[in-house]
Amino acid sequence: SQQGEEDPQALSIQEGENATMNCSYKTSINNLQWYRQNSGRGLVHLILIRSNEREKHSGRLRVTLDTSKKSSSLLITASRAADTASYFCASNLYGQNFVFGPGTRLSVLP
Amino acid sequence: GAGVSQSPRYKVAKRGQDVALRCDPISGHVSLFWYQQALGQGPEFLTYFQNEAQLDKSGLPSDRFFAERPEGSVSTLKIQRTQQEDSAVYLCASSPGTATGELFFGEGSRLTVL
Repeated sequence: SQQGEEDPQALSIQEGENATMNCSYKTSINNLQWYRQNSGRGLVHLILIRSNEREKHSGRLRVTLDTSKKSSSLLITASRAADTASYFCASNLYGQNFVFGPGTRLSVLP
Repeated sequence: GAGVSQSPRYKVAKRGQDVALRCDPISGHVSLFWYQQALGQGPEFLTYFQNEAQLDKSGLPSDRFFAERPEGSVSTLKIQRTQQEDSAVYLCASSPGTATGELFFGEGSRLTVL
């Protein structure tokens, strides 16, 4: 499998807490993206970070990228019950397919 | 419609039957991807089209799997002589550019092989 790794595999937190998920990938990349998937639904794009960027913010999301370690992290601040979902990172080399990790299942308890 | 449309949403097949899964990408999107997602796992790449050209089919698990996009828009994923291990959700995604930007996913086709 070309998949990278994500950790933790599952994360359970209380509403209002922050959630941090990590992702590692195996090859050089053009960009790395994070997606969210609600149960039984398709994936929804959250944020994209390019290989020459180190950090990016979008609303309550903060993504970091360390190309020397081939790793990325996604931080969701002030979590809500509606953030309960699976989160996947996808690494992309220009013109080639996107390689997804196994995902982190996040449960936010009210 | 505004999004990626996949049909059927659910398909039950008897082992040995052929199935065809359809994907209607967002109009004008150049790139189209098929992924297979087993329960509790991440999507696994199957194949990638740029317009009508199939540029990468390295993820197709066997020669029973075949995909086409003859006019560069709608794509069909065909699975011949289905096996129980083919049971999964098949996700289609499209992208406006050449495989470097955001992917727009359909809701998936859940295949169950009995």
